[in-house]
Amino acid sequence: SQQGEEDPQALSIQEGENATMNCSYKTSINNLQWYRQNSGRGLVHLILIRSNEREKHSGRLRVTLDTSKKSSSLLITASRAADTASYFCATDDYGQNFVFGPGTRLSVLP
Amino acid sequence: DGGITQSPKYLFRKEGQNVTLSCEQNLNHDAMYWYRQDPGQGLRLIYYSQIVNDFQKGDIAEGYSVSREKKESFPLTVTSAQKNPTAFYLCASSPRGSSGNTIYFGEGSWLTVV
Repeated sequence: SQQGEEDPQALSIQEGENATMNCSYKTSINNLQWYRQNSGRGLVHLILIRSNEREKHSGRLRVTLDTSKKSSSLLITASRAADTASYFCATDDYGQNFVFGPGTRLSVLP
Repeated sequence: DGGITQSPKYLFRKEGQNVTLSCEQNLNHDAMYWYRQDPGQGLRLIYYSQIVNDFQKGDIAEGYSVSREKKESFPLTVTSAQKNPTAFYLCASSPRGSSGNTIYFGEGSWLTVV
């Protein structure tokens, strides 16, 4: 059962530009998390936002959550070539499992 | 260093053969998970375990089996019943279930059928 859906599926930007990717989900959540995956590697946790929070920052990352629209966005500011990776949102179904979306593949061109 | 260790990194399976992927964690986490990832795709849950000696099927459990005899270990066996096993397999753990917790991943294992 796939809960989160990232949008767009792929994104190419120039170094220094901002990158925005979105995640939509279908049912009520406890929290939503964003993860990053470099090609052929495991996923790395970026940021968690709880259902009672609207915005959260971590370094160059900004995450928003709109529970009325069942959507979240991840903004990466001043992107670098090293930000090239796939980004996944994961929702928490109140205690058992994490459900991951299909991901957004970000390419940052030098 | 604390973390999740998956082995082997690359594995080749012949038709009709069972293979086992190892996953060990020293994070003292209660919950462990196995995911399958096909090229360019998201993660699909195979099996998960919340406590020792207990595990549940995920969305795509057919053709796979697991055991959880020790808290730190959660091996995955890909059986001959899994008709299309070529994929990237990710093991993960979290402190207890998912609620409010972060999930930590190993570096993955590539399985190829030859």
